[in-house]
Amino acid sequence: GQNIDQPTEMTATEGAIVQINCTYQTSGFNGLFWYQQHAGEAPTFLSYNVLDGLEEKGRFSSFLSRSKGYSYLLLKELQMKDSASYLCAAMDSNYQLIWGAGTKLIIKP
Amino acid sequence: TAGITQAPTSQILAAGRSMTLRCTQDMRHNAMYWYRQDLGLGLRLIHYSNTAGTTGKGEVPDGYSVSRANTDDFPLTLASAVPSQTSVYFCASSDSSENNEQFFGPGTRLTVL
Repeated sequence: GQNIDQPTEMTATEGAIVQINCTYQTSGFNGLFWYQQHAGEAPTFLSYNVLDGLEEKGRFSSFLSRSKGYSYLLLKELQMKDSASYLCAAMDSNYQLIWGAGTKLIIKP
Repeated sequence: TAGITQAPTSQILAAGRSMTLRCTQDMRHNAMYWYRQDLGLGLRLIHYSNTAGTTGKGEVPDGYSVSRANTDDFPLTLASAVPSQTSVYFCASSDSSENNEQFFGPGTRLTVL
């Protein structure tokens, strides 16, 4: 079957660095997406990886290892506004997204 | 540009009644999707449409129907609502020429009593 695993909740301190891990199993693979979702709002796109390696975009970076079925999202210089849920989603052979349940990130001052 | 709009924002519906959730996008995206999001679960795909005139079933299609008469609109209908359909419903769209990144509407919060 198809499955996405990510931690349910993480806590970090303002100004610090946090890494949110995601493992996936899909029928075929056409890329890995990370979305951010603030409470009561719609998900918004953060990153897309289809090749192995690290993609950096400002304070956020995303890593992919296709051979290990593994990705992580790295958030640097954490700000209070980064408190949100982070959703990992893998695109299968039919170009459908398989979604994880999300990681709720709590930022403490 | 509005992006994707959904209506209504929220609704309380009596069990057994029918309802249509509306979704419109102005980005000319070829693909559109309906998801439901429940606490502790990931987004689950209800129905999708890869192009106007075609639709497909997702992971949880039972009790829902869709149509795609044109590129912009993708309504979701609940023929006879049940309490288990209480959820937040998100509509999304994507363009296959843009990495299939999905853009989401603001959501509809539906409560079935």
